[in-house]
Amino acid sequence: SQKIEQNSEALNIQEGKTATLTCNYTNYSPAYLQWYRQDPGRGPVFLLLIRENEKEKRKERLKVTFDTTLKQSLFHITASQPADSATYLCAVYNQGGKLIFGQGTELSVKP
Amino acid sequence: GAGVSQSPSNKVTEKGKDVELRCDPISGHTALYWYRQRLGQGLEFLIYFQGNSAPDKSGLPSDRFSAERTGESVSTLTIQRTQQEDSAVYLCASSPLAGLVQETQYFGPGTRLLVL
Repeated sequence: SQKIEQNSEALNIQEGKTATLTCNYTNYSPAYLQWYRQDPGRGPVFLLLIRENEKEKRKERLKVTFDTTLKQSLFHITASQPADSATYLCAVYNQGGKLIFGQGTELSVKP
Repeated sequence: GAGVSQSPSNKVTEKGKDVELRCDPISGHTALYWYRQRLGQGLEFLIYFQGNSAPDKSGLPSDRFSAERTGESVSTLTIQRTQQEDSAVYLCASSPLAGLVQETQYFGPGTRLLVL
């Protein structure tokens, strides 16, 4: 069956360090993969989209990689700040046009 | 402009009652989605409206769940004979164009439903 898996354990890091979150998918061949941020009590907010022919995408302190061989995307936040603390979700579209989300990984950045 | 809005923001109901949740998408957005998010869980797809096409209802968990959308505007999600397992946050999202996989989705704040 099709699955999107993210680390279920919360990631705790020190301010200034780089946070790396993992998204693995099985039985998909997505042309695009998206990352969203969700704060407590709020809906997800779109961050980045990466295409299958793009190995890497950057936006300010964010970097996303997409390895279609490993079926994995990595999401990096460099020079992390306490304000980056949130849950980060990856998502892919399936053939039916639906956006399927992973369960999210909670990131906590300590000052 | 205004984002996606949802109402009510919180709803407490008794088991067996019907509830109706409302979503107002961003004006002009063709596609509208409903998701369910249980505590500490990811988003579970429920239903997808795309323009004038028949909605994709494949994610609705039971026949107690139904949704309607009037044209390209407001949508309502109805849960009949609510059960405690229906307790969750119900999120609505819209996107500008239907059928384009690269379109991002814009989410509302959600309705927190608690069934006692």
